Amino acid sequence: AQSVTQLGSHVSVSEGALVLLRCNYSSSVPPYLFWYVQYPNQGLQLLLKYTSAATLVKGINGFEAEFKKSETSFHLTKPSAHMSDAAEYFCAVTPRGGFKTIFGAGTRLFVKA
Amino acid sequence: DTEVTQTPKHLVMGMTNKKSLKCEQHMGHRAMYWYKQKAKKPPELMFVYSYEKLSINESVPSRFSPECPNSSLLNLHLHALQPEDSALYLCASSQGALPPDTQYFGPGTRLTVL
Repeated sequence: AQSVTQLGSHVSVSEGALVLLRCNYSSSVPPYLFWYVQYPNQGLQLLLKYTSAATLVKGINGFEAEFKKSETSFHLTKPSAHMSDAAEYFCAVTPRGGFKTIFGAGTRLFVKA
Repeated sequence: DTEVTQTPKHLVMGMTNKKSLKCEQHMGHRAMYWYKQKAKKPPELMFVYSYEKLSINESVPSRFSPECPNSSLLNLHLHALQPEDSALYLCASSQGALPPDTQYFGPGTRLTVL
């Protein structure tokens, strides 16, 4: 069965530092891959998604993610963290030919001044 | 307009009550979803409607009853809930039900069952 693992339930960075949130999937066939952000008491917002085109995907708010098939990874990065980036981030997968989106456990990003 | 609206924002109900959650979108999307999110957990899919027909039911207890009256509206009827059903209930919609269509989420209804 398809699964997705996010390494690190909490990540803390200083403002202006690099943000790196890790996501690995388990599937022999690369699924569709997504990163969502959830601010407190709000719904989820799509940051970016990988379908099968470019392996480096650019999203909103300066985030990007790179699909690496050899590592079954889809890590999310941002060169310079802002205080407003503090939120919960979910990596999600939808299997090719499937309909159900499966979310990772989430990573809480803290940004220190 | 890329907004999904949900009402009410908060709901407190007893175990014998009957209540409904409402979700609305005016983006012309033909797929709508209900998710349940417990505190500090990821969302879990409950139901998917595609072209106003129920296409996925993730073995949800019958005390949750979804309804899709038209392509813009999605309801979730609640009856005889348990305290463990307390959670954030999220609605989402997408252009179609085939991935990788982007799902747009509403802000959720925070449900507390006493």
